[in-house]
Amino acid sequence: DVQMTQSPSSLSASIGDRVTITCRASQSISTYVNWYQQKPGKAPNLLIYAASPLQSGVPSRFSGNGSGTDFTLTISSLQPEDFATYYCQQSYSTPITFGQGTRLEIK
Amino acid sequence: QVQLVQSGAEMMKPGASMKVSCTASGYTFTNHYIHWVRQAPGQGLEWMGMIDPGGDDTSYAQKFQGRVTMTRDTSTNTVYMAMSSLTSDDTAVFYCAKDQAVRAARGIIDLGYDSWGQGTLVTVSS
Repeated sequence: DVQMTQSPSSLSASIGDRVTITCRASQSISTYVNWYQQKPGKAPNLLIYAASPLQSGVPSRFSGNGSGTDFTLTISSLQPEDFATYYCQQSYSTPITFGQGTRLEIK
Repeated sequence: QVQLVQSGAEMMKPGASMKVSCTASGYTFTNHYIHWVRQAPGQGLEWMGMIDPGGDDTSYAQKFQGRVTMTRDTSTNTVYMAMSSLTSDDTAVFYCAKDQAVRAARGIIDLGYDSWGQGTLVTVSS
């Protein structure tokens, strides 16, 4: 199974900050990585697919990068609605696996 | 618009079986795989498996093999996920999610899951 190690597990930041979340795969997975945002009590929401393209309707302050084993999700300027939990996901091979999640909190 | 509507919350006894439904609308049901994802209270996301509504092909995570069955009914655009031999460890919210890639392209391109059901809370307790 491909393990996805996500860091940090939690992060405190302020409105306007630039934040980066990292995901490392246990083997090379090309660009088969997606990023989701989840708010309490809600289903996840797709932000980035195939490592870097922005899903339709997602604000441009979100961006994704990486290939092979190392991937990043960056929020360029945090807004109040961005405080949530973020997950990376690999779909290179089954079983499809998610990172442990990063909880982004207001400082 | 694309919508996935799941069945309501369930309370189950240990050892029982459960079946959750996911009814799709707003797109061609048979063109996109449906995945099931589990989330235990306060925990992360866990992929359970997927079904091809256009061909009935299924793939399950090893952890759930033999205990989970995914089926579909093309007459009602509904996918079902059944799980047997429930324990308290199965208490979770179960989500269905639509693969954004059309089924012919699945495995070739990766477009993520663009639409999710609202989630079904299953509580297993004696």
